[in-house]
Amino acid sequence: QSVLTQPPSASGTPGQRVTISCSGSNSNIGNKYVYWYQQLPGTAPKLLIYRSNQRPSGVPDRFSGSKSGTSASLTISGLRSEDEADYYCAAWDDSLSGRVFGGGTKLTVL
Amino acid sequence: EVQLVESGGGLVQPGGSLRLSCAASGFILNDHYMDWVRQAPGKGLEWVGRIRTKFNTYTTDYAASVKGRFTISRDDSKNSLFLQMDSLKIEDTAIYYCAREQEDYYYGMDVWGQGTTVTVSS
Repeated sequence: QSVLTQPPSASGTPGQRVTISCSGSNSNIGNKYVYWYQQLPGTAPKLLIYRSNQRPSGVPDRFSGSKSGTSASLTISGLRSEDEADYYCAAWDDSLSGRVFGGGTKLTVL
Repeated sequence: EVQLVESGGGLVQPGGSLRLSCAASGFILNDHYMDWVRQAPGKGLEWVGRIRTKFNTYTTDYAASVKGRFTISRDDSKNSLFLQMDSLKIEDTAIYYCAREQEDYYYGMDVWGQGTTVTVSS
């Protein structure tokens, strides 16, 4: 059972907007930055969002992040078939003195 | 090209030991905190631990699941990161990734290796 809670699956059609949620607590999301990682099938994870809502260079602006209280979300606009992947939220947890990941959300592009 | 390459994975019996290596190229390892993250078959990502830089006295943090059994170290002169795994359990079976933390990205992990597979089985 993961410290951060994500829905196990999400789906959308090409061009749609999809939002993936991530719920935590005051020891992690509530007082720390949130990161989002994308893992395409059979590959290593890739940093998608840092500091809760910032994109590393090279990440399309179709990807955006937000945080409110102890929850965060990742929104993908203009969904594309190549966005089909697993998405993970992550944060530092002060109580555990370590990073924690969400259980991951498998995004299917219909 | 900025790259991380893990090695050292394999099959080991429960209770055994294994040492993973991660070779960095294309950047100066000693400027970065480094992490190990693992992924059990068909499961999600699990953070294993991190090691800070020399400036931060090489201090380490570990996940509760591996604390006391795993040790992270680094040799900046060889641009290498290591994960010593002792008292291995079946549940340690996973792909192990090393990853670089990037200060500019508020310590997000921006470079990952391809992973090395560890199988703990009798």
